[in-house]
Amino acid sequence: DGGITQSPKYLFRKEGQNVTLSCEQNLNHDAMYWYRQDPGQGLRLIYYSQIVNDFQKGDIAEGYSVSREKKESFPLTVTSAQKNPTAFYLCASREVNSPLHFGNGTRLTVT
Amino acid sequence: GENVEQHPSTLSVQEGDSAVIKCTYSDSASNYFPWYKQELGKRPQLIIDIRSNVGEKKDQRIAVTLNKTAKHFSLHITETQPEDSAVYFCAATDYGGSQGNLIFGKGTKLSVKP
Repeated sequence: DGGITQSPKYLFRKEGQNVTLSCEQNLNHDAMYWYRQDPGQGLRLIYYSQIVNDFQKGDIAEGYSVSREKKESFPLTVTSAQKNPTAFYLCASREVNSPLHFGNGTRLTVT
Repeated sequence: GENVEQHPSTLSVQEGDSAVIKCTYSDSASNYFPWYKQELGKRPQLIIDIRSNVGEKKDQRIAVTLNKTAKHFSLHITETQPEDSAVYFCAATDYGGSQGNLIFGKGTKLSVKP
């Protein structure tokens, strides 16, 4: 979906380093989300934000942080406290009771 | 909060056969149920959705049915084709725990053999 841009597509980091994943949307959606995807685990919610300058923890927020300073931007920082950071990360946005629109994802590999 | 169970985890069918994937949910307040298709290495894409005031919805070869009393909904794909091979996710809204966010099932890997 051209409305949500995630960058970069692939990201490699050394263990112990913080890394920030970018997510930008031009759909004018209020709500934005970060999901983590591991094989056989489905989509697990990390953080979500329903309005600018406000965000809430999802099911697996430990070791992650976010900010929502602008409506169109919702960056995710994977900190060194995240025990198993290697995964596929998906950003999404939506209006209430409407479908989620996903970005193309960022595949993070930490060695 | 909402809990969504999805079955089966893998499904293999012959081209032309039908495929059915089933999901159950726990939050009786859930009112929106989308289905997503995810091809390998790509983002999930919405293929069909249904709201709680409707029992069935159809779009060409794809249909979704909803049983609110039993709290389950199903995806039906008829006349399957090799390009239907992908992972399919169901989801339901969670009003008990996360303000109407979508909670996903763990996915069904569908393989359509030519």
